[in-house]
Amino acid sequence: QKEVEQNSGPLSVPEGAIASLNCTYSDRGSQSFFWYRQYSGKSPELIMFIYSNGDKEDGRFTAQLNKASQYVSLLIRDSQPSDSATYLCAVNPGGTGANNLFFGTGTRLTVIP
Amino acid sequence: GAGVSQSPSNKVTEKGKDVELRCDPISGHTALYWYRQSLGQGLEFLIYFQGNSAPDKSGLPSDRFSAERTGGSVSTLTIQRTQQEDSAVYLCASSPLPGGTGELFFGEGSRLTVL
Repeated sequence: QKEVEQNSGPLSVPEGAIASLNCTYSDRGSQSFFWYRQYSGKSPELIMFIYSNGDKEDGRFTAQLNKASQYVSLLIRDSQPSDSATYLCAVNPGGTGANNLFFGTGTRLTVIP
Repeated sequence: GAGVSQSPSNKVTEKGKDVELRCDPISGHTALYWYRQSLGQGLEFLIYFQGNSAPDKSGLPSDRFSAERTGGSVSTLTIQRTQQEDSAVYLCASSPLPGGTGELFFGEGSRLTVL
């Protein structure tokens, strides 16, 4: 399987702070990148996707991609207790693996009220 | 249906028995995926279907695992001669777009416990 690495955490931030979640990937040819949120006992749901280098903002969420460094991150501004969940990074490796999404092990985020 | 439906939601079986897990994707979604998630772990890719064909079976852990999809819709994942290490949540996801190019919509999963 293509490697997608995440810090498993747990990551704890106070309410209102910025939470920064990081992900690295091994396949330099990877094409597209996704962040999924998974609440405990629930299935993953898509938060954001990013295809191009740079930043992509959607409300309180910003995805950052640096293909040269093989690094993708998710910033959550003004963190809320409802953001407490596991965040999964997923990568489409492109090429012969273009049919797949490979997931990292996830980072567990706790937002403390 | 409105979302991806999986059954059974929970299955407890004895080592050595066969199990079948079913996935009913969102109507019209041509791409279907099976993943496995063990406790505290990420999602492990098992198999991908585009229509009824499986262009990528590379994630199936052993020949005890097989999957099929009929009518471009319902998929069944079969595990023969189950082992304790097969215990996990098996997640099915569908997508309206081929390959890993778009959003995956996940079912609630089938939790398998092998005693």
